[in-house]
Amino acid sequence: GQNIDQPTEMTATEGAIVQINCTYQTSGFNGLFWYQQHAGEAPTFLSYNVLDGLEEKGRFSSFLSRSKGYSYLLLKELQMKDSASYLCAVRGPGAGSYQLTFGKGTKLSVIP
Amino acid sequence: SAVISQKPSRDICQRGTSLTIQCQVDSQVTMMFWYRQQPGQSLTLIATANQGSEATYESGFVIDKFPISRPNLTFSTLTVSNMSPEDSSIYLCSVVQGESYEQYFGPGTRLTVT
Repeated sequence: GQNIDQPTEMTATEGAIVQINCTYQTSGFNGLFWYQQHAGEAPTFLSYNVLDGLEEKGRFSSFLSRSKGYSYLLLKELQMKDSASYLCAVRGPGAGSYQLTFGKGTKLSVIP
Repeated sequence: SAVISQKPSRDICQRGTSLTIQCQVDSQVTMMFWYRQQPGQSLTLIATANQGSEATYESGFVIDKFPISRPNLTFSTLTVSNMSPEDSSIYLCSVVQGESYEQYFGPGTRLTVT
């Protein structure tokens, strides 16, 4: 089975840095996605990690440790528009699988 | 990435009726999927829409309740049949292009069943 854990809610200050963690226990792992979802809107793709390490994309970075079953999304220079839910999703099982299993999401509130 | 549209964007339906949701992509895609997002919950995969053949359903979802069509590489429909209030949810299609595993989501259809 698939089990993905994220904090339910987080609050951070505009201009600061926030780290959103995701841990997973899955029967098969072939990559981890992060999506951003504003209230009432569809999820938008942020990152996809397959190998261990940090991948940076502008203000957003994503880290993966497969041996620890752990990932985090790092948001720098927070802006009010970053207030949204952040969804962690694991791809698998099966190397060719497109199936995504989502965590419940972390609702981030950015305050002035 | 592909531009994905869904129709309708929202609807209010009476229990016992059916609603067909359309997903249109502006370019050919490799894979199309249908998800459900119940109020306050995360996304759950309903099925993979296979072009020219029957959809592949996830555990807990059946074809009689959620018939799916995918007649070509840019279009798919999901029907929610014999609706009950428990079917009130956002239904989203997602697509994969080329050899990538990255999935992109449509804007969603917000369904309320009364």
